[in-house]
Amino acid sequence: DTAVSQTPKYLVTQMGNDKSIKCEQNLGHDTMYWYKQDSKKFLKIMFSYNNKELIINETVPNRFSPKSPDKAHLNLHINSLELGDSAVYFCASSSGGTTTEAFFGQGTRLTVV
Amino acid sequence: SQKIEQNSEALNIQEGKTATLTCNYTNYSPAYLQWYRQDPGRGPVFLLLIRENEKEKRKERLKVTFDTTLKQSLFHITASQPADSATYLCASESGGSYIPTFGRGTSLIVHP
Repeated sequence: DTAVSQTPKYLVTQMGNDKSIKCEQNLGHDTMYWYKQDSKKFLKIMFSYNNKELIINETVPNRFSPKSPDKAHLNLHINSLELGDSAVYFCASSSGGTTTEAFFGQGTRLTVV
Repeated sequence: SQKIEQNSEALNIQEGKTATLTCNYTNYSPAYLQWYRQDPGRGPVFLLLIRENEKEKRKERLKVTFDTTLKQSLFHITASQPADSATYLCASESGGSYIPTFGRGTSLIVHP
């Protein structure tokens, strides 16, 4: 069983479009995250959700919006896509609290043309 | 500002040798450090966690140290194998939020 799964794996779209990336975890974790990994492989936190409540937003443009229908899902919606949004987006989850490790999905490579 | 830094240059070693990767942190004192492995096209995978009150942690061929005086963690892979080739990421919490914050990672290449 896949612990953290995200779809699609690849997404190619034109500038100005709106797209969504889905994420699901079957680990029973309370906390889920979205990270962005740029071309230089730097993994940067975008959002964190704990029990359906957004607890941090790292100065991400408001074109990006996380949506959590339930504890097992955290989807990422992106409006008015720009060229600079091209990157790999990773969903992750953890049991929350101190020192717990994060479990990552396989990533979604977004290419904006 | 708080920073967690890793050597951006790739580390090339021969099979059978010990690989040593470095993670430095500045302007804060993390309660723990984590190490992850990332293969191309895959998400990071957790390897080890070491707390600030622990000097050393081991798991099979892996060893992690935490030096709060030097503000540094070292990650060792003994008897390295070509299959160990990957990018290794260091992470810690950020500002008490417990959200893993990552360094840029160091690419390890083990030559047969």
